[in-house]
Parts: sequence; structure tokens; C-alpha cells
Amino acid sequence: ETGVTQSPTHLIKTRGQQVTLRCSSQSGHNTVSWYQQALGQGPQFIFQYYREEENGRGNFPPRFSGLQFPNYSSELNVNALELDDSALYLCASSLGPETSYEQYFGPGTRLTVT
Amino acid sequence: AQSVTQLDSQVPVFEEAPVELRCNYSSSVSVYLFWYVQYPNQGLQLLLKYLSGSTLVKGINGFEAEFNKSQTSFHLRKPSVHISDTAEYFCAVRQAAGNKLTFGGGTRVLVKP
Repeated sequence: ETGVTQSPTHLIKTRGQQVTLRCSSQSGHNTVSWYQQALGQGPQFIFQYYREEENGRGNFPPRFSGLQFPNYSSELNVNALELDDSALYLCASSLGPETSYEQYFGPGTRLTVT
Repeated sequence: AQSVTQLDSQVPVFEEAPVELRCNYSSSVSVYLFWYVQYPNQGLQLLLKYLSGSTLVKGINGFEAEFNKSQTSFHLRKPSVHISDTAEYFCAVRQAAGNKLTFGGGTRVLVKP
């Protein structure tokens, strides 16, 4: 059974650029949640995707957007990057939104914005 | 809306000593409660969860936590820590009818030999 994987591991972008982060969910999981973890803080919920639709969103601006594909993998897109977007971005998958308490996390993508 | 407060940002502890990490939450509705561990440069791993039933919950690696509804707390304990328990620990809450996990700020545990 393959766990949650994320790519890339690290990347560096310049303020104003756009970035796409990718996540492959654990086998059999159809729900993906994204979190932002700033240095020294707990993760903050960005949004959740279920069956290719957004299924809940945290307090993040519209320049944070996502996609989920038929194979349940997901992308997080961030436009017009700001310095404060520097963080570890975590993806978590679950069997369904009702069981999203049992979330399995990937290792994260560390984004640095300069 | 719910919130989580982890009262200690850092807890140093000697190997084989007990440790307790404190977590308080606020919510106006029924919640599920969780503890996650994060090792350096890794994602989060679920230690244990409380959904309903017995208020004493046992998890992996010898950890346990007790749900106290009247005090809105969910403190994590381990009777004897190992060097390998050095990590950051996060308490999280989710509304029973929701899908969003809200995390505390984390407690860094440093186990000394």
C-alpha cells in the first residue's frame, strides 16, 4: 500500500510568481486536504477536495486554489506569491469526508519565497 | 468556530521520565480530538484520537490521552519517554459534523539522556 506522496520536496520561488504543488493520495482514499504550516506553528487548513470538488475552505485568499483529478490526486496552486507564503505545505488523504478524522499526511513540500 | 491551545511550547524531559503535554480546546459543538507527532523533516503521524466512548484513549508508542469535557482538555501522557520521542506534538480538534482539522501551535519535546 502506497502512502501519501508529495512533490516537489523543496522549491524556491520569487515574490509574484506562481507555484503548483502536487499530492498523490493513499490507495483507496478519495478525499484530499491541504494545510499550510508556517515555521514554528501548527498546520492551518487551506481546503479539502472530494470527488473533484472543493468541500470546505479555510481562511485563505482566492489566490490559493486547487484541483482534484479522477484518480484522486490533487494540486495546490498559489498565484502572486508573497513572502508570507513561505511554509511547509502538507497534503493529507482520507477514505472520505466523513472519515476525514483519519487523515494520512504526506511529508510536505517546503516552499521558500524570496 | 473551534480553537486549540497547547500550553507549553517546549518540554525538556530526561529519558525514562514521564511526560505530559497539555491541550485545551474551545468549541460550542461536539468535537473529535487528536494528537499528532511530527519528526524533523517529516509529515504528521496520528498518535491517537478520541471520537466517543471511554475518555481514556490509548495510542501508538505507549502514549495515552484523557478527554475531560468539563475542563475542555485532552492532555497527552507517556509514563516513560525514549530519546526517539524527541519530536513536535500537535493537538487538533474537529467538529463532529465538520471536515476541518484545527491544530494547536505545537509542543516541542526534547528528551535528554
